[in-house]
Amino acid sequence: AQTVTQSQPEMSVQEAETVTLSCTYDTSESNYYLFWYKQPPSRQMILVIRQEAYKQQNATENRFSVNFQKAAKSFSLKISDSQLGDTAMYFCAFTSYTGANSKLTFGKGITLSVRP
Amino acid sequence: NAGVTQTPKFQVLKTGQSMTLQCAQDMNHNSMYWYRQDPGMGLRLIYYSASEGTTDKGEVPNGYNVSRLNKREFSLRLESAAPSQTSVYFCASSAIRGVEAFFGQGTRLTVV
Repeated sequence: AQTVTQSQPEMSVQEAETVTLSCTYDTSESNYYLFWYKQPPSRQMILVIRQEAYKQQNATENRFSVNFQKAAKSFSLKISDSQLGDTAMYFCAFTSYTGANSKLTFGKGITLSVRP
Repeated sequence: NAGVTQTPKFQVLKTGQSMTLQCAQDMNHNSMYWYRQDPGMGLRLIYYSASEGTTDKGEVPNGYNVSRLNKREFSLRLESAAPSQTSVYFCASSAIRGVEAFFGQGTRLTVV
């Protein structure tokens, strides 16, 4: 079974600075996707970024980038130029696609606060 | 472009009452899921359906039943609600290869 671990329950960052959120996972699969989801106070789950395991290049979406270390099973999210709107809970998630089932497994989440 | 629609958004139940949470998606996705979110626990999978006509238990299935009515709809039923089922419930769907899961707005359920 796969597991996703987010060991930091809370983080805080000054506006305009850079912050990195950590995530590790455990799986015996070789083909999988990793995700970071954002959940603002509105409760809506929003996909921030996605990484395919077979790709060596780290995914980037504007101010969001990942550091994907497959051998170490590590998948951290870097937020550059933090904005007040980045205040939210962030979830790391994993899914494999070796079979018909694309079950999505989440970590416990981290609450990020951006200070003005 | 509705995406994933969950109803209701809020519900208060008394212990022992039953209710069904409804979920529908219009993206022609094969896979659908029900999660519950509790403080400090992240999102935990209750049940999932990899395709129409199939359902499987997730991490926390006790006290729940599901029905995959057709490709669009996946309902979650609480037969006899308990205070431990107070939570926020999310329905989600994804294409078979799990490229991205789309979520509903969530249902905040309180059992008193």
